[in-house]
Amino acid sequence: GNSVTQMEGPVTLSEEAFLTINCTYTATGYPSLFWYVQYPGEGLQLLLKATKADDKGSNKGFEATYRKETTSFHLEKGSVQVSDSAVYFCALRADSGYSTLTFGKGTMLLVSP
Amino acid sequence: DTGVSQDPRHKITKRGQNVTFRCDPISEHNRLYWYRQTLGQGPEFLTYFQNEAQLEKSRLLSDRFSAERPKGSFSTLEIQRTEQGDSAMYLCASSTGQRLDTQYFGPGTRLTVL
Repeated sequence: GNSVTQMEGPVTLSEEAFLTINCTYTATGYPSLFWYVQYPGEGLQLLLKATKADDKGSNKGFEATYRKETTSFHLEKGSVQVSDSAVYFCALRADSGYSTLTFGKGTMLLVSP
Repeated sequence: DTGVSQDPRHKITKRGQNVTFRCDPISEHNRLYWYRQTLGQGPEFLTYFQNEAQLEKSRLLSDRFSAERPKGSFSTLEIQRTEQGDSAMYLCASSTGQRLDTQYFGPGTRLTVL
């Protein structure tokens, strides 16, 4: 079956540090890949997505590239802010494009001033 | 606010009681999904609707759980004879139903079973 593995948190960084959160997946075919973010007390929000190999999703300074050869979709940001503190979820959707999402366990990011 | 809304936001109940949650999707979204999220885990799929038809149910959805979307708009999720293991955040999401569409999530209903 489909599965997503994320690095365990919390990830603790100082403001303006570089961020990487690793995500690898197992799926047949060519799934779509997503990063969702959950701020404290709020619902999940789509951060970025990529629907085919070598696509790069980007939003709010965050980027992730769909790497088919390494089955990865690592999240990066060049300079984090305190307001980026949240839980980040990597997810996939099977290549039919109509199915439901399979999520990783989430990685908490804590950014200090 | 035109996002997905859920009610109630929090529910505390005693074991053995029945509970019902409501989800109002984004207007004109054909698909509606229910997920469950336990502490320290990512959301897990429970079931989804295309308009009023329930098209898929996860094996996580035991026979104590039932979901409806009677008019293809709002949906309810009922849990009968609640157990402590049902304590979780119940998330609702909606989407247009087109291929590669985006699922938009509501704030969730946090259930605590004592």
